[in-house]
This record gives sequence, C-alpha cells and structure tokens, in this order.
Amino acid sequence: QSALTQPASVSGSPGQSITISCTGTSSDVGDYNFVSWYQQHPGKAPKFMIYDVSKRPSGVSNRFSGSKSGNTASLTISGLQAEDEADYFCSSYTRITRSYVFGTGTTVTVL
Amino acid sequence: VQLVQSGAEVRKPGESLKISCKAVGNIFTDFWIGWVRQMPGKGLEWMGIIRLINSDTKYSTSFQGQVTVSDDKSINTAFLQWSSLKASDTATYYCALAVDGNFYFDYLGQGTLVTVSS
Repeated sequence: QSALTQPASVSGSPGQSITISCTGTSSDVGDYNFVSWYQQHPGKAPKFMIYDVSKRPSGVSNRFSGSKSGNTASLTISGLQAEDEADYFCSSYTRITRSYVFGTGTTVTVL
Repeated sequence: VQLVQSGAEVRKPGESLKISCKAVGNIFTDFWIGWVRQMPGKGLEWMGIIRLINSDTKYSTSFQGQVTVSDDKSINTAFLQWSSLKASDTATYYCALAVDGNFYFDYLGQGTLVTVSS
C-alpha cells in the first residue's frame, strides 16, 4: 500500500495559521473517518494529536484541528507557536485490507 | 497506560533479534499493538499489528515475510522478531497501542533503536 502524500515542508510566522494536507485514495482517506495525525519532535517518539479526522484527545491544544474533503485530509495549526516546530504525519486505516498507512510526513518550520 | 520497549540493540547482518513492547498501567481488556519503523531521517512506516486477546495478526505487504509479530498476553507484551537481519533493518522501531474498535494509536512506546552493522 502506498504512503499517503503530504507536502515535505510548511512554514509560517508565529501567530499565523498553517494547513498540512494528506492525500490518499477512496480506499483509505476517502473511505471512512479513520484519519489520525501525529506530531514528532526531533529525537522523540511520535505524539497522538487528532483522531477520527477531527477529534482531539484530552491534553491536545485546541489550536490543532482536523478536517477532510474527499480523499484529502488536513491538519490546521492556528496561532502558530515555536513549540509547534516538528514533523507531522497523517495516518489512515483501510477497512478492505485491515491495515494502516502513514503519510510521507511534513516538517513544520516556525519562521 | 504506558508502552515500555526493550533497549537499544546492535547486531551483525544475518543475526536474529527479538524486541519487546510491554503495556503497563490501566490496561484495556481488548487492544492491539502495532509496530512502526522509522529509518534514519525518514518517515513512519506501519509494519504490522497483533490483537493481544486472540493473537489475530495483520502485516503490511511491505513487511510480510520479513518480520514476525507475536505476543504473550499473560504479560501484556508484544514482540517484533527478525530471523536474519540486514543492514537496511537499521532503524528505530516504535510500538503503538490501539483499543479494539478504534483505528488510531493513542499510546506509543519510546522507541527501540536497532543497529545492524558488520
């Protein structure tokens, strides 16, 4: 199964909003609401940020939000802060193959 | 809930290896533990997953036949095993927990660095 497609990098100034896209197919991202997002700081384990496309687990800032349209999911970070500088990965579960796939990853830089 | 992984390993090509991931804390009744590879400087790759209550296992097509995922539910532990390592297996391996019925990993381990070098 091919990795979901994300932009390699996205940047923004403090306080701005940025959006990271995650494009798959009608078999994964577009099939159901099984999209999740993970944040990874250098040298650290990934951290769970968003599930079921747009839900935030407790403890995750409401500056992070998720959405989906067709085969493309998106993660928006509003009020960008220096601590948001990290790699971000989307993931989707595929019902037909009972498997998961990750996105290619996006490096967020705070200017 | 916390996932505690075994420590870093250094092996030679052709050697075998088994690393572990133990779920501790307020454990769910029915959950899956998946394995994720991250090669140096690269992204996350889903390898496979096992359901501890009945050992139901599913592999990514990319890793089928290359690794073995197993478990010991009596100690809430999952394993990732290689029978013959290659230099290209050098990576950090994360385990990740998904409660049955959920399709995301809400807990991740700290990672196990595996270095394969002659």
